[in-house]
Amino acid sequence: AAGVIQSPRHLIKEKRETATLKCYPIPRHDTVYWYQQGPGQDPQFLISFYEKMQSDKGSIPDRFSAQQFSDYHSELNMSSLELGDSALYFCASSYGGQGDEQYFGPGTRLTVT
Amino acid sequence: GESVGLHLPTLSVQEGDNSIINCAYSNSASDYFIWYKQESGKGPQFIIDIRSNMDKRQGQRVTVLLNKTVKHLSLQIAATQPGDSAVYFCAENISGNTGKLIFGQGTTLQVKP
Repeated sequence: AAGVIQSPRHLIKEKRETATLKCYPIPRHDTVYWYQQGPGQDPQFLISFYEKMQSDKGSIPDRFSAQQFSDYHSELNMSSLELGDSALYFCASSYGGQGDEQYFGPGTRLTVT
Repeated sequence: GESVGLHLPTLSVQEGDNSIINCAYSNSASDYFIWYKQESGKGPQFIIDIRSNMDKRQGQRVTVLLNKTVKHLSLQIAATQPGDSAVYFCAENISGNTGKLIFGQGTTLQVKP
């Protein structure tokens, strides 16, 4: 069965640079969630989209923005990167906007140097 | 088998024994719960979910128990195998909300051969 696809899998950036992470949800899933996971931490919710509209926002810095496109894929844009942004970024998808059976992608490991 | 009454960050069990991983959730309004398994460097893998109108649900080798009175969730793994070694997270959600998941502290399960 098709799973959530994330790209790139690994990304190395320098401080103050920008990064764009992409997420392709499971086919027919209309809802995308972004989470950030620091080393040894549990995933923390950043932002979500349902039917191409932002549905919720968590502890996401103002330097970050995201959107969901007409094909339901989503992109997380990160600017003015800081060392503390180094983490695993996961995208999850589900159907119906309420988070039932939320499936996660393999993640993007972002390293800021 | 190993039984843990409180949440412990690490649980070590012998191969073939049963494992019980505990989780306390925070929001009494949460009515949907998911257990995830996360292997090193990978995304959380959906194991089993349960709604608040149930107190028990069984899957293949796994059982989830929900005690709403004390806001407690547990995951039981029967005949634990080396491949079960991972970090296990519980996550809570309020159905009818936007679906963002709030993760509990992970438990590292170590299976000794």
